Amino acid sequence: GENVEQHPSTLSVQEGDSAVIKCTYSDSASNYFPWYKQELGKRPQLIIDIRSNVGEKKDQRIAVTLNKTAKHFSLHITETQPEDSAVYFCAASIRNSGYSTLTFGKGTMLLVSP
Amino acid sequence: GAVVSQHPSRVICKSGTSVKIECRSLDFQATTMFWYRQFPKQSLMLMATSNEGSKATYEQGVEKDKFLINHASLTLSTLTVTSAHPEDSSFYICSAMGQGITGELFFGEGSRLTVL
Repeated sequence: GENVEQHPSTLSVQEGDSAVIKCTYSDSASNYFPWYKQELGKRPQLIIDIRSNVGEKKDQRIAVTLNKTAKHFSLHITETQPEDSAVYFCAASIRNSGYSTLTFGKGTMLLVSP
Repeated sequence: GAVVSQHPSRVICKSGTSVKIECRSLDFQATTMFWYRQFPKQSLMLMATSNEGSKATYEQGVEKDKFLINHASLTLSTLTVTSAHPEDSSFYICSAMGQGITGELFFGEGSRLTVL
């Protein structure tokens, strides 16, 4: 089955700096890669996703890049703010016309200091 | 966006009792729902995939007789933790994929179970 590795496990940055979280996956058939933000005790919230036919996607301060050859994808947050502090999970799945099972990375705790 | 509601948000029970958690898709029909368990400071671990009208598919290592899943309608799936023990204390989260919605899964608010 799919295996998703995520690094780093914790990341501390100063407000205004950029943060980068990296994930690798094992199943070359995976074609959908979402990123979730989870605040303590709350549900995961989708913040951005990318499909395998796209190399990069951006939404305001958040961007995701995908390297299919290396089976590697990354989350980039620019101009970080204290409210960005949370746990971020990457995930991978095979998305077709039916359901797909998400395999999550272990998560990265991002702390943005004012 | 689509909404998935989970109830109860918190439950405390005595060891040996059973607890039912409900997961509802409020504004869409969900053929498939997923149940996850999350221990403190850990990732979401898929427990089972719940399909409307059929038996759930359990992940390896998850006891189907302990974690009973019922998906009787397109808007409701339930997880029953039977004969709960302290080691079952965890954060349980469901998610659902809507029909006609390509890609995104929607998560419930989660249910924190504490077994005394």
